[in-house]
This record gives sequence, structure tokens and C-alpha cells, in this order.
Amino acid sequence: DTAVSQTPKYLVTQMGNDKSIKCEQNLGHDTMYWYKQDSKKFLKIMFSYNNKELIINETVPNRFSPKSPDKAHLNLHINSLELGDSAVYFCASSQGSVGGTGNTIYFGEGSWLTVV
Amino acid sequence: QKEVEQNSGPLSVPEGAIASLNCTYSDRGSQSFFWYRQYSGKSPELIMSIYSNGDKEDGRFTAQLNKASQYVSLLIRDSQPSDSATYLCAVRLSSGSARQLTFGSGTQLTVLP
Repeated sequence: DTAVSQTPKYLVTQMGNDKSIKCEQNLGHDTMYWYKQDSKKFLKIMFSYNNKELIINETVPNRFSPKSPDKAHLNLHINSLELGDSAVYFCASSQGSVGGTGNTIYFGEGSWLTVV
Repeated sequence: QKEVEQNSGPLSVPEGAIASLNCTYSDRGSQSFFWYRQYSGKSPELIMSIYSNGDKEDGRFTAQLNKASQYVSLLIRDSQPSDSATYLCAVRLSSGSARQLTFGSGTQLTVLP
């Protein structure tokens, strides 16, 4: 059983399109995240979300929006895709505050987005 | 100054040698530190966490933390070709959300057979 699963794994789309990436976790965690990893392997937080708070990295364009139908799902919706959005997007989850003993982030397999 | 810094490498070591990976962080109040391994085309996976000054050993891996110097390292003893990957240092910064980790840019390690 995959703990954090995301779909699609690969997505090629044209500039200007709107697309979504879905994420589900079966770990019972209360917090989910979206990270973006660029071509230089730099992994950067985009959003963290639980049922009480949404934390948005201020550098993320408002074309990106997280949508959470329930605590086990956090989808990423992207409007008006640009070439610079091409990257690998990782969904992740954790239980409680990151850094508490035993609490850390578990990642999904990644979604490779290519904008042409 | 970046919040979490690592040498990007690549770092090459012969099989059986000790690989030493280093990470510095800017937030003196940080309390939680993690090392993730990422194989090419795969997701990051947690290999070590450390919260107190000193060394923490797990098999061939040893994490070392020095909060006074704001420095955390990962030693891999008896390096194997299967250890070839990018190693990401992650820190829970004292500022910002307690639910977020900040990652370094990673060090690419190659273990030569």
C-alpha cells in the first residue's frame, strides 16, 4: 500500500492550460503539503495545510491553489500554466508538528509536470 | 544567506570509504534536523533525524549536530554503490510554521565501485 499517492505521475501540457494534481494519504496524518523541486533539485515548500490552517509560501504565485476535500486529500490546482512551472511536484504528509520526536514528512512519488 | 546550505557536489568516494556530507543553517533557534536520501527520479526518503547536540548512529549512518556552530553532518561508513544518491538536509526553523521543513539544495554523492 502506497502511503502517499499522487496522480498523474507525468503530465505534459501547453502554456495557458489549467491542470490539477491529486494527492491522497492513508497514514491518518493531519497535515499535508505540496513541495516543488526544480531542475537543480532544490525542494521548496509551497503549501502546508491541515483542518485548521493553510500556510502559503509567499513566493508561490496565486495561480497555484490547494484544494482539500477531506483530511486525507490535498489536490493542487494550477491556472494559466507557464513554462517556468515545469518541475516535479511532491505531495507529502505528517502527523502533528514537524520535528516533534518521530514526526517527520513522508513524500509521495512525485508528479513530473512539463509545460510546452 | 540561504536558510539551509549544502555543498552541491558532486562528491565522489571509493567503495568502502567514509562519505561526509555537511549542512549549515542560519536560524540559531532551530531544534529539529533531518537527512533525506533521494535516488534519481524518486521521492526523498527519511534516513536520519537528530534533535540534540552530538552524534546519533543508525547502522552505517551517523548524524552529527553542533547547534553552537549551526552545523549538521551525515557520515556514511563503508560506502556502497547503492548509497549513490542526492542527500538532502532539512531543518525545522524556529520562525515560520512549526509544520514546515526547509530543505537544502542537496549534495550529490557517487560511490565508485
